Amino acid sequence: GAGVSQSPRYKVAKRGQDVALRCDPISGHVSLFWYQQALGQGPEFLTYFQNEAQLDKSGLPSDRFFAERPEGSVSTLKIQRTQQEDSAVYLCASSLWWDASSGNTIYFGEGSWLTVV
Amino acid sequence: QQQVKQSPQSLIVQKGGISIINCAYENTAFDYFPWYQQFPGKGPALLIAIRPDVSEKKEGRFTISFNKSAKQFSLHIMDSQPGDSATYFCAASYGSGGGADGLTFGKGTHLIIQP
Repeated sequence: GAGVSQSPRYKVAKRGQDVALRCDPISGHVSLFWYQQALGQGPEFLTYFQNEAQLDKSGLPSDRFFAERPEGSVSTLKIQRTQQEDSAVYLCASSLWWDASSGNTIYFGEGSWLTVV
Repeated sequence: QQQVKQSPQSLIVQKGGISIINCAYENTAFDYFPWYQQFPGKGPALLIAIRPDVSEKKEGRFTISFNKSAKQFSLHIMDSQPGDSATYFCAASYGSGGGADGLTFGKGTHLIIQP
């Protein structure tokens, strides 16, 4: 596709419900990131994949958050037993090959807006 | 601990004026400093980026100034236009050789260009 595609764009979940957010990165992009953006704040790093390998999950806020990218393309961010503090925009981003020295751009999707009520 | 501090939080500039947004970082290992532009309901989009081996980079109306010794960098938007009204984020990263980490973002500056 032309850009990073995320679905659903908007999700309202009842507290305690499980949610799954999908990310389709740009075709051929090896590196994939998930970020969380609270209202009025900058994006905060959650996790990073290189192909199917999850190389860094240090930003995941709790063990209720889980991400996977089983075939090295599409990724899913799953949040179990959602809480109100999970309400945020979840941004997926991809890059051809992420290396700060490579100059490759990180491209962001439009985000999945999660509201937990 | 906030590793990238951005100011001001909001900024109003007249059309044709210069918009200046500042960022300071703490981690001397950072070696890549991009600026992202975000419109409401959209994801951040890369505007311009700089590495610490240069002190200035210009692309069209957008210029990054970088001061390695002060651990500061800034975005200048020349001849600001109403279409530039958006939220701007500075960011920093390290990870040469395939490191993970990704980008550490500032809290953002809400820029309004008045016609």
